[in-house]
Amino acid sequence: DGGITQSPKYLFRKEGQNVTLSCEQNLNHDAMYWYRQDPGQGLRLIYYSQIVNDFQKGDIAEGYSVSREKKESFPLTVTSAQKNPTAFYLCASSISGPPRVYNEQFFGPGTRLTVL
Amino acid sequence: RKEVEQDPGPFNVPEGATVAFNCTYSNSASQSFFWYRQDCRKEPKLLMSVYSSGNEDGRFTAQLNRASQYISLLIRDSKLSDSATYLCVVNIEGGAYSGGGADGLTFGKGTHLIIQP
Repeated sequence: DGGITQSPKYLFRKEGQNVTLSCEQNLNHDAMYWYRQDPGQGLRLIYYSQIVNDFQKGDIAEGYSVSREKKESFPLTVTSAQKNPTAFYLCASSISGPPRVYNEQFFGPGTRLTVL
Repeated sequence: RKEVEQDPGPFNVPEGATVAFNCTYSNSASQSFFWYRQDCRKEPKLLMSVYSSGNEDGRFTAQLNRASQYISLLIRDSKLSDSATYLCVVNIEGGAYSGGGADGLTFGKGTHLIIQP
């Protein structure tokens, strides 16, 4: 079945540690995205990538880093510089990205990160 | 800054009733509109796109009012399984995301709907 997978589902991290969240898609989509969702809040864009080996900052990129070495993979690293990392992290993909953003986005199941 | 506004609710509605909620957007250049559904602690899933002429999918009807800059979602004959948070999403086709500010895609905070037996 085609889709987007994220792992792990739950992640606990000690303060000061970096952690990497996995996102894989087999939909052959060009564009991939990382969002963060806090309780009672909307989704906020962290980073996005339109094509392999290219990515751009979103609204809240500080304290995060990404890579896009393969079309199907877009891992997100939450660094120790991120002040409030505890959140629900969602990865998404779409057939194409900006400037043609008409296509709907498909989301992975998310990773719930808790900093202890 | 572009914004998408939704009434957070919760909307408590008896099963079988019709419920409608709106979403307003501030950027008149917005061109693509979607309704997503998000269940508790799950990922958002596309419910329906919203077309200029309005569109219907079973019990769900979406409307776009460009003059007043809002979109609406109507649910008829509501079911218990309709209980969820409904997210309004607005895109600007042709706009470019830019470093430090993504102005191409904006999510509303969602409207929480509870269908009661």
